[in-house]
Amino acid sequence: DVKVTQSSRYLVKRTGEKVFLECVQDMDHENMFWYRQDPGLGLRLIYFSYDVKMKEKGDIPEGYSVSREKKERFSLILESASTNQTSMYLCASSKRDRTESPLHFGNGTRLTVT
Amino acid sequence: SQKIEQNSEALNIQEGKTATLTCNYTNYSPAYLQWYRQDPGRGPVFLLLIRENEKEKRKERLKVTFDTTLKQSLFHITASQPADSATYLCARPGYSSASKIIFGSGTRLSIRP
Repeated sequence: DVKVTQSSRYLVKRTGEKVFLECVQDMDHENMFWYRQDPGLGLRLIYFSYDVKMKEKGDIPEGYSVSREKKERFSLILESASTNQTSMYLCASSKRDRTESPLHFGNGTRLTVT
Repeated sequence: SQKIEQNSEALNIQEGKTATLTCNYTNYSPAYLQWYRQDPGRGPVFLLLIRENEKEKRKERLKVTFDTTLKQSLFHITASQPADSATYLCARPGYSSASKIIFGSGTRLSIRP
């Protein structure tokens, strides 16, 4: 079974701090994704990566960056956290060889920026 | 831009009835649609995929349809049970990049005993 692990379930940070959210998957998936989930807005794609060191912007990349130095690990970075980045962050992975490949999600990191 | 909409934010039905959830998309017809289930405090879990050329797909008590004329997918749970209570999300591949998966906002389904 695919396992996607997010390093923290809950995180509280102060405005202006640099925040790292880490995600690791154990099934050798090429694609990895970061979404944020807010009530009434659903899941919105921040960034995704289709290979090591490769990344593409999603729908809401502003204020975020990502790092994919190893195939199994995809990090989301908030350069200077702001209160409007308080949200649930979900990481996911999928295989690239099948375009229909379903996403496998972690259980999320609930980030609060005060 | 491609949008995907789940019109009902919440749906409450009696146990034993069939739950029907709606997903509408705009612009071009996607090659497939995916449906996921999400429980509180957990990440979404993949349930079913239906391709553009498939009218209907079934898995146990679940049934999904794809109507390219109406630009709509329906997700049915027959003989619903309280354990089916969850948020259900539909998703489509992006136009510019098929790997970019776009989700609807979800429908929160509650099954009352």
